Amino acid sequence: KQEVTQIPAALSVPEGENLVLNCSFTDSAIYNLQWFRQDPGKGLTSLLLIQSSQREQTSGRLNASLDKSSGRSTLYIAASQPGDSATYLCAAEWYGQNFVFGPGTRLSVLP
Amino acid sequence: EAQVTQNPRYLITVTGKKLTVTCSQNMNHEYMSWYRQDPGLGLRQIYYSMNVEVTDKGDVPEGYKVSRKEKRNFPLILESPSPNQTSLYFCASSTPKDRRDTQYFGPGTRLTVL
Repeated sequence: KQEVTQIPAALSVPEGENLVLNCSFTDSAIYNLQWFRQDPGKGLTSLLLIQSSQREQTSGRLNASLDKSSGRSTLYIAASQPGDSATYLCAAEWYGQNFVFGPGTRLSVLP
Repeated sequence: EAQVTQNPRYLITVTGKKLTVTCSQNMNHEYMSWYRQDPGLGLRQIYYSMNVEVTDKGDVPEGYKVSRKEKRNFPLILESPSPNQTSLYFCASSTPKDRRDTQYFGPGTRLTVL
């Protein structure tokens, strides 16, 4: 069964730092991988979608990379801000199977 | 505004009392699904639907039912709720035709079964 893991489980950084969140998946034959943001008590907001043929996607201060051969994806956040504080989830989709989510990384950016 | 709506947002009920959580999307999406989110277990898929009248089990379907009579609606039914179904539930929709579209999530329904 495919699984998705994320490390670290929680991260606290001072404002302005660059940071990296990690996501690993067990089967490299993924269809795509997505990163989501979840604010407390709210739903999920999609940040970036990387298709299997792509290596990375960028949106503003966010950059997500995908390395299928090693079963890893990273989310890079540049110049972090307190408003970036949230839980970040990655989800992988394999052909013929629906999304499998990781447990999330809870990020706190301190002013 | 494109959105997925869920009702109710919060619900406290007792064991065995049937309940329905509604989900509606206004984006004409074919694909809809239900997830539950529990501490330490993350998001797990309950049921999904590829289109009207087409539904299938996800990873944790026991104790739940769904129906897809209309494209926009995908209600989640708990015929006889039990305390282990206390959780945060999310509905999501997308258009998987070319796998380029993301899933759009509803705001969540926090269910407590006493």
